Amino acid sequence: DGGITQSPKYLFRKEGQNVTLSCEQNLNHDAMYWYRQDPGQGLRLIYYSQIVNDFQKGDIAEGYSVSREKKESFPLTVTSAQKNPTAFYLCASSIAGTGGSYEQYFGPGTRLTVT
Amino acid sequence: ILNVEQSPQSLHVQEGDSTNFTCSFPSSNFYALHWYRWETAKSPEALFVMTLNGDEKKKGRISATLNTKEGYSYLYIKGSQPEDSATYLCAFSGNTPLVFGKGTRLSVIA
Repeated sequence: DGGITQSPKYLFRKEGQNVTLSCEQNLNHDAMYWYRQDPGQGLRLIYYSQIVNDFQKGDIAEGYSVSREKKESFPLTVTSAQKNPTAFYLCASSIAGTGGSYEQYFGPGTRLTVT
Repeated sequence: ILNVEQSPQSLHVQEGDSTNFTCSFPSSNFYALHWYRWETAKSPEALFVMTLNGDEKKKGRISATLNTKEGYSYLYIKGSQPEDSATYLCAFSGNTPLVFGKGTRLSVIA
């Protein structure tokens, strides 16, 4: 089955630790995205990548880092510099990233709790 | 930062009622407008991607219209069913990454 997987579903970390969230897709999509959702907020874009070995900051990139070494994978690292890391994180992909006219396919999400 | 507004924030309807929600977005530099349905404990799924002013799209009992000149889109659900209960998200692209609204949470009461 084609789709997007995110792991783990729930993640708990102590403050000051970096943590990496996994996102894998087998849809052969060029573009991948990371969003964050907080209560009462819409999905906010953290980083996106339109092609392997290239990525751009979204609206709230501070305290996060990404890599895109393979087409299938787009891991997100939440660093200790992120002031409010506790949130629900969604990964998505689309055929191409240019222009936003392609629908996005979403993973099941990872809920990160930092105490 | 672009602003995408959805209204109402939430609503409760009886099974069989028809309902509609609104998405407002910037009327300049329009490229695409997306609608997604997000059911609890599932991933958001695309309903429609609309690119032309005046576009109307339909999927079963759900339909959407688009007015790019005035910057709004309507999502209609005819004869709501309990399985329509979900959060409906719209997202705007001005040839940029998608900007999402906060969603409309629909509860259909049997």
